[in-house]
Amino acid sequence: DAMVIQNPRYQVTQFGKPVTLSCSQTLNHNVMYWYQQKSSQAPKLLFHYYDKDFNNEADTPDNFQSRRPNTSFCFLDIRSPGLGDAAMYLCATSSGGSGRGVEQFFGPGTRLTVL
Amino acid sequence: AQSVTQLDSHVSVSEGTPVLLRCNYSSSYSPSLFWYVQHPNKGLQLLLKYTSAATLVKGINGFEAEFKKSETSFHLTKPSAHMSDAAEYFCVVSDPGTGFQKLVFGTGTRLLVSP
Repeated sequence: DAMVIQNPRYQVTQFGKPVTLSCSQTLNHNVMYWYQQKSSQAPKLLFHYYDKDFNNEADTPDNFQSRRPNTSFCFLDIRSPGLGDAAMYLCATSSGGSGRGVEQFFGPGTRLTVL
Repeated sequence: AQSVTQLDSHVSVSEGTPVLLRCNYSSSYSPSLFWYVQHPNKGLQLLLKYTSAATLVKGINGFEAEFKKSETSFHLTKPSAHMSDAAEYFCVVSDPGTGFQKLVFGTGTRLLVSP
């Protein structure tokens, strides 16, 4: 089945130690998104890629970076994780286009713990 | 700007009784609306979407929602709750950009189902 895969599912890191989260997709979608979801909150969009074009949300901290080496893979890099960055990180994809009702497909998420 | 308001943070029902999760939207034009479900420590799964076709939308797992423009509502219903329906539900409006869809999430409703 076509799907969005995130690795690892659980990640523990130390305060200030860089960490990379991985997302891959078999849907061949143009657009890939990264969301941050803190406990009991709605997901918050950090940034997205349309093909190789990177689009940062205005309030995303500089501490968060992303790479998309090819259509299938996208990485989230947190350069110096703080305790406030502990959250579930969700990757999603969608086909390109701004037509009505274009669905986003979500991965299972990576839960990040910062010690 | 588009927004959604989920009127209840928690809804409790007994197994076999009807479910109603309420959502109101605000949009300057005809919106695309979605309901997503999130089980604990999982990603988001699309239940159903409205894209200006039929106002009564049927989704997966027996859920449906009715778009009411006069009331700016998109409430989610199910005739008979099952224990497996216990999860977090997000009402979402799509804010189409150029070539991608920005999802605007409600704050979520936690559905509790008791035996």
